[in-house]
Amino acid sequence: DAKTTQPNSMESNEEEPVHLPCNHSTISGTDYIHWYRQLPSQGPEYVIHGLTSNVNNRMASLAIAEDRKSSTLILHRATLRDAAVYYCILSPPTDKLIFGTGTRLQVFP
Amino acid sequence: EAGVAQSPRYKIIEKRQSVAFWCNPISGHATLYWYQQILGQGPKLLIQFQNNGVVDDSQLPKDRFSAERLKGVDSTLKIQPAKLEDSAVYLCASSLFGDTGELFFGEGSRLTVL
Repeated sequence: DAKTTQPNSMESNEEEPVHLPCNHSTISGTDYIHWYRQLPSQGPEYVIHGLTSNVNNRMASLAIAEDRKSSTLILHRATLRDAAVYYCILSPPTDKLIFGTGTRLQVFP
Repeated sequence: EAGVAQSPRYKIIEKRQSVAFWCNPISGHATLYWYQQILGQGPKLLIQFQNNGVVDDSQLPKDRFSAERLKGVDSTLKIQPAKLEDSAVYLCASSLFGDTGELFFGEGSRLTVL
């Protein structure tokens, strides 16, 4: 399974943008980049995923480096509700998702 | 749309006892997953079903864990006998096709083994 490297923790202030990095230097050509987050005492929830091009949805943006060896999840305006553990996961199509330990994001008022 | 339902939310048992968890996926979702999440770690996949067939159970400790998916809908995960290290949250997730689409997770069942 392709590996990802994320910082253990990050901090942000409310209403500021947050850039969560993920390194995946061993990514293969068919691996999708998925981001999930897990709020306290809840199951993980889908945030966004992409293959090569940058992606935007109502929750976040995903910026993928041209060589695909790294990606960044962008929360445009952090809220207190965004405090969670964020997981960056690589997976080929039709394969299972293998979670790492993720990045714990703290958001301060 | 109803989400993934799991029960019980909490269970406390003594070691060597048995326990069962139930999961009802989102209607129409063909793929169902059971994950184990130990405190401070990311979820670990135990088993993946496609309809009522097993796709991957390579990480399931088959000497004590078993799982089934009845008629390709509901699923149960059983642990017998439980060990102290089985204390964890057991998460059920489902997806439409089991490909790169979105996984929907339930709130989980927290097991404490004393």
